Amino acid sequence: AQTVTQSQPEMSVQEAETVTLSCTYDTSESDYYLFWYKQPPSRQMILVIRQEAYKQQNATENRFSVNFQKAAKSFSLKISDSQLGDAAMYFCAYNPNSGYALNFGKGTSLLVTP
Amino acid sequence: DTAVSQTPKYLVTQMGNDKSIKCEQNLGHDTMYWYKQDSKKFLKIMFSYNNKELIINETVPNRFSPKSPDKAHLNLHINSLELGDSAVYFCASSPSGTGGNEQFFGPGTRLTVL
Repeated sequence: AQTVTQSQPEMSVQEAETVTLSCTYDTSESDYYLFWYKQPPSRQMILVIRQEAYKQQNATENRFSVNFQKAAKSFSLKISDSQLGDAAMYFCAYNPNSGYALNFGKGTSLLVTP
Repeated sequence: DTAVSQTPKYLVTQMGNDKSIKCEQNLGHDTMYWYKQDSKKFLKIMFSYNNKELIINETVPNRFSPKSPDKAHLNLHINSLELGDSAVYFCASSPSGTGGNEQFFGPGTRLTVL
């Protein structure tokens, strides 16, 4: 079974600063995808960024980037120039290429202070 | 314009009642899902349907029965509601079930069982 671990239940960052959220996963698959989803207080789940395991290049979406270390099974999310609107729960998720469901970590609550 | 919609958004009911949550997507996707988010915000897959066929049925009590009348709809019926069923239920859809596709989530239904 695949497991996803987010070891930071809560993180805090000041506006305009950079923060990194950690995620590790366990799998025996070689072909899979990793995701970061954001859940603001509105509870809507929003995809932040996606990484294909076969790609060595780290994914980037504007202020959001990942550090994907396949051998270490690590997938951290870096948020640069943090904004108040970034405050939310962030979930790391895994899905094997042949899979039909996202396996989520327990989430990290990000607080952004002015 | 709503991509994935759920009704109702809030549901308060008594123990022992039967209730349904409806989900519709207008994205033309083949695969639909139900996830449960518990009081600690942990998200877990319940069911996956691909082209109206049940693909994943996680360890969910038999009181939960999904029904997919067509590819655009996946409803969740819950019999004999229990206190432990209180949670937020998310419907989602994706172009196909396999790994890398983004899953688009509905707004969630907060179910409270009294």
